Amino acid sequence: TQLLEQSPQFLSIQEGENLTVYCNSSSVFSSLQWYRQEPGEGPVLLVTVVTGGEVKKLKRLTFQFGDARKDSSLHITAAQPGDTGLYLCAGGSGGYNKLIFGAGTRLAVHP
Amino acid sequence: EAGVAQSPRYKIIEKRQSVAFWCNPISGHATLYWYQQILGQGPKLLIQFQNNGVVDDSQLPKDRFSAERLKGVDSTLKIQPAKLEDSAVYLCASSVGLGGTYEQYFGPGTRLTVT
Repeated sequence: TQLLEQSPQFLSIQEGENLTVYCNSSSVFSSLQWYRQEPGEGPVLLVTVVTGGEVKKLKRLTFQFGDARKDSSLHITAAQPGDTGLYLCAGGSGGYNKLIFGAGTRLAVHP
Repeated sequence: EAGVAQSPRYKIIEKRQSVAFWCNPISGHATLYWYQQILGQGPKLLIQFQNNGVVDDSQLPKDRFSAERLKGVDSTLKIQPAKLEDSAVYLCASSVGLGGTYEQYFGPGTRLTVT
């Protein structure tokens, strides 16, 4: 059974701080996606990484896919209150790219 | 472009009752997914359709859950009879294609409470 473990589960920080969220598995994935979910809404895709060692930047967010395609990290620089939400990683595998989601990291950024 | 529509947004039922959820995907999206998200967990795929055919339903509790996608557009997910552990948010998502890294677009979900 493929599992994705995210850490930390909860993170409460002040505006302007940096943070890193981790997503780890013992399984290899063909792709890794990061989503953000706000209360009462469905997840929204932030990024997809497919190559081991790949790094993608989206403004203040930096995403990295591990060399072995088993883990990923999300780094946020100078967090803002608008970054508050649930961050989910999802690994894709199989011909249909079935997604396995982690339990998420709930981030709260305080002004 | 309109997003994925779901209804109802909230539903409260008693255990052993039946309930149905409706999803209208983004126009032109061939692939449709139903996920179950229990509080404190990530979404879990229940069933995946490609047009009106089932691609994956390995995690669908088939003794009580059923889903259909007639004409390859709208879809309904039914639970009969409901159990307390079915309390969750049911998310519908759609994507342009099957496989690869096609982006999945999620609807707002239906929050089900079983009492």
